[in-house]
Amino acid sequence: GESVGLHLPTLSVQEGDNSIINCAYSNSASDYFIWYKQESGKGPQFIIDIRSNMDKRQGQRVTVLLNKTVKHLSLQIAATQPGDSAVYFCAENKGNTPLVFGKGTRLSVIA
Amino acid sequence: DVKVTQSSRYLVKRTGEKVFLECVQDMDHENMFWYRQDPGLGLRLIYFSYDVKMKEKGDIPEGYSVSREKKERFSLILESASTNQTSMYLCASSPLGTRGQFFGPGTRLTVL
Repeated sequence: GESVGLHLPTLSVQEGDNSIINCAYSNSASDYFIWYKQESGKGPQFIIDIRSNMDKRQGQRVTVLLNKTVKHLSLQIAATQPGDSAVYFCAENKGNTPLVFGKGTRLSVIA
Repeated sequence: DVKVTQSSRYLVKRTGEKVFLECVQDMDHENMFWYRQDPGLGLRLIYFSYDVKMKEKGDIPEGYSVSREKKERFSLILESASTNQTSMYLCASSPLGTRGQFFGPGTRLTVL
């Protein structure tokens, strides 16, 4: 069963460095993946998404990599800034089923 | 820009009270969702709806019900609030055929 009060995995990076946030997903049939950023006191905001027919997709300062063989998703943030400090969630789904969210990773940027 | 609004940012209720959490979206989205978010547990789906008058149970529907009488509004109801329902509640919406969801700012509910 689930535990209460689990600590979020935390990643601390120096301002200006690149960040890599990882996510392992569970359903090998999932064909859509998405990353959200959640700042303190706000709802999650869309960052980038990728479909299973792609391995990589780039946005502005962000890149998502998908490795279907090992069911792994990563979010790379280039030149991390203080404003990138937040909790990052990955999510997956197949077809029209609801998104299934990971538990999140807290990114802390050290100025 | 898509706007998803939730009726309250903070709410304090007593055990046994009936609680209504309201969510409204202004982009004519067909799909709407309610999640609760607890530290270390991520987002867990309570209920969702793909159309007016339709509702589907998510992963943790016990103790909750929903209402979708109008396309833009999706209400979450706690029939008899309990302390273990203290949580952050997030509403989201998405257009038909689109996977990505737009989230509201959340309602932090405390049940005493």
